[in-house]
Amino acid sequence: EVQLVESGGGLVKPGGSLRLSCEDSGFSFSSYSMNWVRQAPGKGLEWVSYISSSSIYIYYADSVKGRFTISRDNARNSVSLQMNSLRAEDTAVYYCARGKGYYDSSGFHEDCFDLWGQGTLVTVSS
Amino acid sequence: DIQLTQSPSFLSASVGDRVTITCRASQGISSYLAWYQQKPGKAPKVLIFEASTLQSGVPSRFSGSGSGTEFTLTISSLQPEDFATYYCQQLNSYPRTFGPGTKVDVK
Repeated sequence: EVQLVESGGGLVKPGGSLRLSCEDSGFSFSSYSMNWVRQAPGKGLEWVSYISSSSIYIYYADSVKGRFTISRDNARNSVSLQMNSLRAEDTAVYYCARGKGYYDSSGFHEDCFDLWGQGTLVTVSS
Repeated sequence: DIQLTQSPSFLSASVGDRVTITCRASQGISSYLAWYQQKPGKAPKVLIFEASTLQSGVPSRFSGSGSGTEFTLTISSLQPEDFATYYCQQLNSYPRTFGPGTKVDVK
């Protein structure tokens, strides 16, 4: 079965760091873009970060820029999110999500997130 | 950043009802819009991409339409498993943004 499995969540104090990982099983990981999306308790979805299949293109939400770093290791079929200087407002379930899309003359266009992990809870509290 | 609004925020409906949810973008996004369904404690699941293309495996009672700034998700005949929260997402530009969600509940 094709799936994504996140790990690394937990309780951390404000100002602390945490590293989330997401590993695939059963698909050509290196062919896909990957994203992190979070959801604070009782709230909606917030996109956090994107990394292209070859790591050439990386984007962040303004709310995490300068504090979070996304990376991937295609040899290990994994994507990571290094989270530093954590704040209470970073408390959320973090999902990794595979980007599905297509190539045309102007490059790659992501058209949806077609596979999601089960989520890992990050709690930032003293 | 492109802002997405959804209406209604909350919808009470019965099995068999036709349900329509609207998503509006603060600027034109062509057809780069996806719809997701999320049930409590679960990850979101994509229903529609490119505004109107049904994701493989999704029942045909779900349909999407629109382009530019106004989009709709329609469930032609609501089934018990469709009670959930629905989100739109724009994939026209970064940062990617989601709508605030529409919760579909039992009347």
